[in-house]
Amino acid sequence: DADVTQTPRNRITKTGKRIMLECSQTKGHDRMYWYRQDPGLGLRLIYYSFDVKDINKGEISDGYSVSRQAQAKFSLSLESAIPNQTALYFCATSDLRTGATETQYFGPGTRLLVL
Amino acid sequence: LAKTTQPISMDSYEGQEVNITCSHNNIATNDYITWYQQFPSQGPRFIIQGYKTKVTNEVASLFIPADRKSSTLSLPRVSLSDTAVYYCLVGEKKAMGRRALTFGSGTRLQVQP
Repeated sequence: DADVTQTPRNRITKTGKRIMLECSQTKGHDRMYWYRQDPGLGLRLIYYSFDVKDINKGEISDGYSVSRQAQAKFSLSLESAIPNQTALYFCATSDLRTGATETQYFGPGTRLLVL
Repeated sequence: LAKTTQPISMDSYEGQEVNITCSHNNIATNDYITWYQQFPSQGPRFIIQGYKTKVTNEVASLFIPADRKSSTLSLPRVSLSDTAVYYCLVGEKKAMGRRALTFGSGTRLQVQP
């Protein structure tokens, strides 16, 4: 979905390096999410943000940090990358809806390899 | 606390109906059940959402029993292009009254000609 973009799409880095994955959206949504996907494990939530001043840890936040620079931008950082952080990372957005659980819209993903 | 669970994989043939069940016995009271479809190297895409009983759209149907502890995604007359991984997403009750959105582990559907 072109409304949610992620950069870079692919990244190779070395153990111990700091890297940042960026997500931008033009959907005007308040809520943004970072997920990690590993083969056979589905999607796991790393961090989520309900607005610029509201950042929350997800299921697997250790080793990661985030920054919500604006409503449209949500960055994920690996302060010191390690090989088991090799995975496919997805950003998602959603809009607050009263009643129903919000529908999430996903970016194309960033494939990260940590050597 | 029980997690959301789905079958790992399913096989079908073109033209058949496929039913994929997700167990979510710790679903939060007010949360809906949402199903997503994912193709290789793409992000998940919304298919359908429901709270109880039955929901139908142009792509699929969703059946939810009264206790809401499971749900079944039904794909009518599948084609080769329906080969993908299917995820259910629910809000799950956590300790201290909190709620967490939890994806199932995904069901890999392979449609054969």
